[in-house]
Amino acid sequence: DAKTTQPPSMDCAEGRAANLPCNHSTISGNEYVYWYRQIHSQGPQYIIHGLKNNETNEMASLIITEDRKSSTLILPHATLRDTAVYYCIVRVGSGNTGKLIFGQGTTLQVKP
Amino acid sequence: DAGVTQSPTHLIKTRGQQVTLRCSPKSGHDTVSWYQQALGQGPQFIFQYYEEEERQRGNFPDRFSGHQFPNYSSELNVNALLLGDSALYLCASSLAGGNYNYGYTFGSGTRLTVV
Repeated sequence: DAKTTQPPSMDCAEGRAANLPCNHSTISGNEYVYWYRQIHSQGPQYIIHGLKNNETNEMASLIITEDRKSSTLILPHATLRDTAVYYCIVRVGSGNTGKLIFGQGTTLQVKP
Repeated sequence: DAGVTQSPTHLIKTRGQQVTLRCSPKSGHDTVSWYQQALGQGPQFIFQYYEEEERQRGNFPDRFSGHQFPNYSSELNVNALLLGDSALYLCASSLAGGNYNYGYTFGSGTRLTVV
């Protein structure tokens, strides 16, 4: 019951912005979009989340289209340490007791 | 501030055996969710525990069961292990009534290999 679709892999030059797209065309009105990343099969690390407004924090920016059917995660200045699998996720259910529905993820390779 | 702690980190079991995995949530969190991540795949939701009860369940058979203790820690039990149960098992904790800024904190997982 995957709710998100992402490209399997992307490359980015070190120091440049990395723009990771995600489609979630079946998202419901009260379902949040979350982004996590996973490095070397460690536990996923939280990046950012949003409902319908664009969001920014110290790690990244999240741009959500007006119809909420897609979003883009932006890492403004990618470094080699940003090489990881990035998951676009839909949270089903309310509050912090909702469940996260992961997609297949995008493997981002940052190159020197 | 300790994050989510899972034990053991690695485990090898024989087909048909039973296994118990453990999770201590991040300090201040009261809800624990378990996920299974097969090699090369995204994590899949197994179930969630809050107030010592199973609140939600994913599409997993009854061989998968769990428990939450009064101190909010949790166990995941898998009976009659199959080769296909080999995976990284992740525990995520959250605070049911908390704000959403950091939501869910994941542990590093238990790597289960069934032979």
